[in-house]
Amino acid sequence: QKEVEQDPGPLSVPEGAIVSLNCTYSNSAFQYFMWYRQYSRKGPELLMYTYSSGNKEDGRFTAQVDKSSKYISLFIRDSQPSDSATYLCAMSWMDSSYKLIFGSGTRLLVRP
Amino acid sequence: DSGVTQTPKHLITATGQRVTLRCSPRSGDLSVYWYQQSLDQGLQFLIHYYNGEERAKGNILERFSAQQFPDLHSELNLSSLELGDSALYFCASSVGSGPYEQYFGPGTRLTVT
Repeated sequence: QKEVEQDPGPLSVPEGAIVSLNCTYSNSAFQYFMWYRQYSRKGPELLMYTYSSGNKEDGRFTAQVDKSSKYISLFIRDSQPSDSATYLCAMSWMDSSYKLIFGSGTRLLVRP
Repeated sequence: DSGVTQTPKHLITATGQRVTLRCSPRSGDLSVYWYQQSLDQGLQFLIHYYNGEERAKGNILERFSAQQFPDLHSELNLSSLELGDSALYFCASSVGSGPYEQYFGPGTRLTVT
């Protein structure tokens, strides 16, 4: 079993829809949670960074963390065709490195 | 643009060869992380350097090594290359060795033939 599980998709939605992307994890030591967006063959771009449980909002993006359920979500409001990309969740914990453990990514397609 | 630079963008080489990938972190960042992204394994952590010192190793092969120089740029050396080493190699930088945001470079695409 992988430490971080993420549905690979693809997830296809019409423009303007609310998108929900999710990850589950098994390591209860994870404290820091990130969402990255990756366009094809490009470097991952940091979208959201949250610590512990709770919600965080930034523009059209909202990140939620439920540590009791080991479940994190990213919501995208008013989705645009330019949001079409692969979305990667990543997590880290307090150790000497804070290296990131990534999900496998969910491919999102927003149809015009 | 994250401010992290990587060279070269693409590298095509033969099995058994050795290559060096270069990463320059964002201005002011002291940490450099290297990750490998392959189709079957996803993004995997390789190694972390902070201010010139190795901080952590992931599932990095013995044929791979890295270093961080006094000017904070980092190099990842891959030797005795095999077909399975073909992948995207990313470096990421962060301001310190703590729970800070990691910003990724554009990557180096390595193809081993």
